[in-house]
Amino acid sequence: GAVVSQHPSWVICKSGTSVKIECRSLDFQATTMFWYRQFPKQSLMLMATSNEGSKATYEQGVEKDKFLINHASLTLSTLTVTSAHPEDSSFYICSARETQHQPQHFGDGTRLSIL
Amino acid sequence: ILNVEQSPQSLHVQEGDSTNFTCSFPSSNFYALHWYRWETAKSPEALFVMTLNGDEKKKGRISATLNTKEGYSYLYIKGSQPEDSATYLCAFLGAGGGNKLTFGTGTQLKVEL
Repeated sequence: GAVVSQHPSWVICKSGTSVKIECRSLDFQATTMFWYRQFPKQSLMLMATSNEGSKATYEQGVEKDKFLINHASLTLSTLTVTSAHPEDSSFYICSARETQHQPQHFGDGTRLSIL
Repeated sequence: ILNVEQSPQSLHVQEGDSTNFTCSFPSSNFYALHWYRWETAKSPEALFVMTLNGDEKKKGRISATLNTKEGYSYLYIKGSQPEDSATYLCAFLGAGGGNKLTFGTGTQLKVEL
């Protein structure tokens, strides 16, 4: 089946650091990738939709300058949390799909802890 | 804001029991309903993508039904096994919604020996 690889799986860093998370589709071309954030006991909240070669579409309330998304190829999207602060600590997970009619394939997620 | 609700929030059953849980979603502007299974320390795994009212899909001991007119889907697990323990997520995809899935909070299933 389709595999999406997400790295790193766990990050602990100091406040003010920028953190980059990678999401790769390993055996298919992902025209669209999605970045989600999950708070404890809540559902997956979509942060942004990333289309290859174009700017990401951010959801309301998500700061685009804070969460930089790059989708430079059909197999790679990156999320950079810039100048991270403790309130950015969360679980971030990406997904990818080939077409609108197919399910999304998820990475394993990244647990981000900002001290 | 789209409302996608799942119930119950959690469920404990004994091995061999059959179980089911519910996903409710908006009955207007429907495009598709997804079901995912999310085991601890793994990535969510797609179970079904359902698009037609009255549709029923099956994968092994797991099946799902869809009622788009009243806005609900049921997921059934027959003869639950410990390996079925996971969080089951449904996600609504609306027509013209920019291709975005709206997820429910999930039903956490624990199957005990």
